[in-house]
This record gives sequence, structure tokens and C-alpha cells, in this order.
Amino acid sequence: KNQVEQSPQSLIILEGKNCTLQCNYTVSPFSNLRWYKQDTGRGPVSLTIMTFSENTKSNGRYTATLDADTKQSSLHITASQLSDSASYICVVSLNNAGNMLTFGGGTRLMVKP
Amino acid sequence: GAGVSQSPRYKVAKRGQDVALRCDPISGHVSLFWYQQALGQGPEFLTYFQNEAQLDKSGLPSDRFFAERPEGSVSTLKIQRTQQEDSAVYLCASSLVGEAGNQPQHFGDGTRLSIL
Repeated sequence: KNQVEQSPQSLIILEGKNCTLQCNYTVSPFSNLRWYKQDTGRGPVSLTIMTFSENTKSNGRYTATLDADTKQSSLHITASQLSDSASYICVVSLNNAGNMLTFGGGTRLMVKP
Repeated sequence: GAGVSQSPRYKVAKRGQDVALRCDPISGHVSLFWYQQALGQGPEFLTYFQNEAQLDKSGLPSDRFFAERPEGSVSTLKIQRTQQEDSAVYLCASSLVGEAGNQPQHFGDGTRLSIL
């Protein structure tokens, strides 16, 4: 069973709208939690990295939150653009070396005009 | 180039053939990772190098999979006697230093391997 669960699996929104993607994890303990954006046919691109002591981090129109007590994270996208259409992957890292990353299955977001 | 480069982008092979996938990490990046990504799934860890040392190969699914990074830069993932279940996208990632916590991994665009 995947220890990082994301919801929804897929989402369609209209351009300009906001949306929030969810990530629940059971991996413990963890070093940091990451969100990646993966365009179709491309490799994932890092959006945010948060340690367990951080509860929010922003990168432009992307804002990630983390509640280490409830083991939940969210990624909020503001004023969506067509180029935001992609898969968004939540990743929990067990250590600092980076070789113990547990990836969620991703949320596939489609932004329509 | 500025990013992680992988070649070939696409590889079709017959079952039983050997394949070799290449990864050129970002210059100066110490850590290098290989992942396998099935369609519609998140990447799964295969192996990890710090410079030329392969520190973790726990994710390699069988002894048909072999990875090397002899000079601490370019890496090759080799799959011997390929099987249909090996069909996937193979992603390579690099990061600046090891054991540095919040280092992002920079991914290449992957090699899409199809075994007929």
C-alpha cells in the first residue's frame, strides 16, 4: 500500500480559478515533504520543499502547507493558467540523502479556457 | 546543457535484448538517482550514487538491472535480457550534494522503454 496518498486523482478547473490538492502520508519519521510538477512526457520539476518544522512555503502562485501532526499536506494553486495543466506529485523523504523518497501517485490537473 | 540530459528519449527493444540508458547529470552535482515510472504512477526509486560510489541499489528489481557511474558524472543503467514488465519510463535525477537535507532533485525527461 502506497504510504503517500493524493486526492483527487484528477481535477478539471477553469482558467483563473483556484484549486487545492491534498496529500496524506503515513511515512514516519520524515525529513522533508516535496511537491513536484510533471508535465506530460517530461521529468518532474521541484515546486517546494518543506521540513517537518515548516508549515507553509510559497513559490509564485503555488503555496504548500504541511501539518506534521495530522500528516497532511496541501498544494494550493492561485489564479490557474493553462500551463498549470500537469500532474502534481507529493513526495515524502525519510532522510537527507534523497535516496528514500516515497512518491504519491499524483493528481492530474487540467485547466480549461 | 543546463539540465539533466537522458538518452535515448525512446527505446524499443525485443524481449531478451539488452539495453543501456544514459544519464548526463548537471555538472558538479554529487548525487545521482535512477527511478522507474509506470504509466500513471509516481516514480519508484531504483538506485543512488554519491560521486562514483553506488550507495544504495535496493530498488533494483532484479539482477538483470545494473547501474554504474565510473567517473562520478555520467551514469548508465543497463537492463539485461529485457522482459515486457520492464516497459516504463526511466528517470534520472541529480542533486548538488548528498546528505544536505533540502536539496531538490533535478530530473531529466526520461527514457521511455518499450519491450515488444
